[in-house]
Amino acid sequence: DTEVTQTPKHLVMGMTNKKSLKCEQHMGHRAMYWYKQKAKKPPELMFVYSYEKLSINESVPSRFSPECPNSSLLNLHLHALQPEDSALYLCASSQGLSGTDYGYTFGSGTRLTVV
Amino acid sequence: AQSVTQPDIHITVSEGASLELRCNYSYGATPYLFWYVQSPGQGLQLLLKYFSGDTLVQGIKGFEAEFKRSQSSFNLRKPSVHWSDAAEYFCAVGARRGYSTLTFGKGTMLLVSP
Repeated sequence: DTEVTQTPKHLVMGMTNKKSLKCEQHMGHRAMYWYKQKAKKPPELMFVYSYEKLSINESVPSRFSPECPNSSLLNLHLHALQPEDSALYLCASSQGLSGTDYGYTFGSGTRLTVV
Repeated sequence: AQSVTQPDIHITVSEGASLELRCNYSYGATPYLFWYVQSPGQGLQLLLKYFSGDTLVQGIKGFEAEFKRSQSSFNLRKPSVHWSDAAEYFCAVGARRGYSTLTFGKGTMLLVSP
């Protein structure tokens, strides 16, 4: 299995809703990432988990809450989002956080619309 | 810290013509270098990567890239473009020392004309 699977593919939520994005990989990768991507922009790093521990939080608002239940799963919990949070949310994984561990594998993303 | 510049926001190429997408990086040493492609509404797919050794790197879908240390560049090339190559292309760099994450360029949108 050489894929990163993200669900759902599309999500529409109101500003008072709570929802979760899910990401799964079975490549034995020990680093997992959440990125946010607005149209015609590069991906922006949000969070990094390494060995199931939060390693990097790029000053993301608390309405985004990541969780790594085990080495294969990564969740992003959403609450009280704003319309400007509408974007493509990408999950990625890599073998580790250094050197030739690079070469991330990306999922196909969740297209989030906040109304 | 490393940085990446992709000078071209858009490039239009005729189908069957050759392609070169430019990427310049800034880093204190030779970084790890990558090219990714993203079709509309999709995730990023790794085309190729440079770690060390031969400076001409072959990738998937007929793409290649050449690392030129003297120019701090890692340009992506393809001899004959197909309509299905139309997509956004991102160059990325990673540090060789310590723990870090990839830094992406702003991307180049490739349009293919018939």
